[in-house]
Amino acid sequence: EAAVTQSPRNKVAVTGGKVTLSCNQTNNHNNMYWYRQDTGHGLRLIHYSYGAGSTEKGDIPDGYKASRPSQENFSLILELATPSQTSVYFCASGVQGNYAEQFFGPGTRLTVL
Amino acid sequence: GDSVTQTEGLVTVTEGLPVKLNCTYQTTYLTIAFFWYVQYLNEAPQVLLKSSTDNKRTEHQGFHATLHKSSSSFHLQKSSAQLSDSALYYCALKGTNAYKVIFGKGTHLHVLP
Repeated sequence: EAAVTQSPRNKVAVTGGKVTLSCNQTNNHNNMYWYRQDTGHGLRLIHYSYGAGSTEKGDIPDGYKASRPSQENFSLILELATPSQTSVYFCASGVQGNYAEQFFGPGTRLTVL
Repeated sequence: GDSVTQTEGLVTVTEGLPVKLNCTYQTTYLTIAFFWYVQYLNEAPQVLLKSSTDNKRTEHQGFHATLHKSSSSFHLQKSSAQLSDSALYYCALKGTNAYKVIFGKGTHLHVLP
C-alpha cells in the first residue's frame, strides 16, 4: 500500500481562488515536505515540517502556507492562486539522519486559469 | 550555500551503450549523504541508490556511483543503457541532522533503440 498519498491528484482552479492540497503518510515519519516541480527548475522546496504543529519555510514559500495538524497530515494552502502557481506538487516524508531518504507521494497536477 | 549541480539537462544514448550522468556539489556539511533519485514518466521520484562513504562504489539496478570528496562528485553510470532507463534523474545531498535535502535540477535520460 502506498505510504504517502496526495489529494486531489488533479486540480483546476481560478485565479484568486483558494486551493488546498492534502498529503497523508503512514510511514510515521516526523518530517514532511512540499515541493513543486517545473521543467528547468527540478524540485523546489516550498514548506516543510518536523512534527505535528510545526511548519517551516523552504526555498520558495511566497504565496503558500502550510499546515501540519497531525503526524500523518500535511497540507499546502494557496490563499490567492495565481497562474504562476500552475505546476506539479509533490509531498514527501522522511526521518532525521543523514542517510535517510525521502519518500514521495504520487503528485498533484494543479492548473490555475 | 550548499548546492548540487547537474550540468546536463538532457542526455541521449543508444540502447546498449554506456551512460554517465554528472553530479557535482558544494557543501559546508562535514558529514553528508548522497542520493540519486529516479522519476519515471507520471510517477513520483524514488531513491535509486545512496552513499555516504568516500571512494566506495555503490550499485543498484545496474547503475553505480562512487562518492569522490576530492573532486566533489557523485556521478551516476551504467555500462549498458536499457530503454526502460529513460527517466528523469536527480542527484541530491543531505547533511547530518539537516531537515532539507538539496536537489540538483535533474537530468533527463533518453535511451534510443
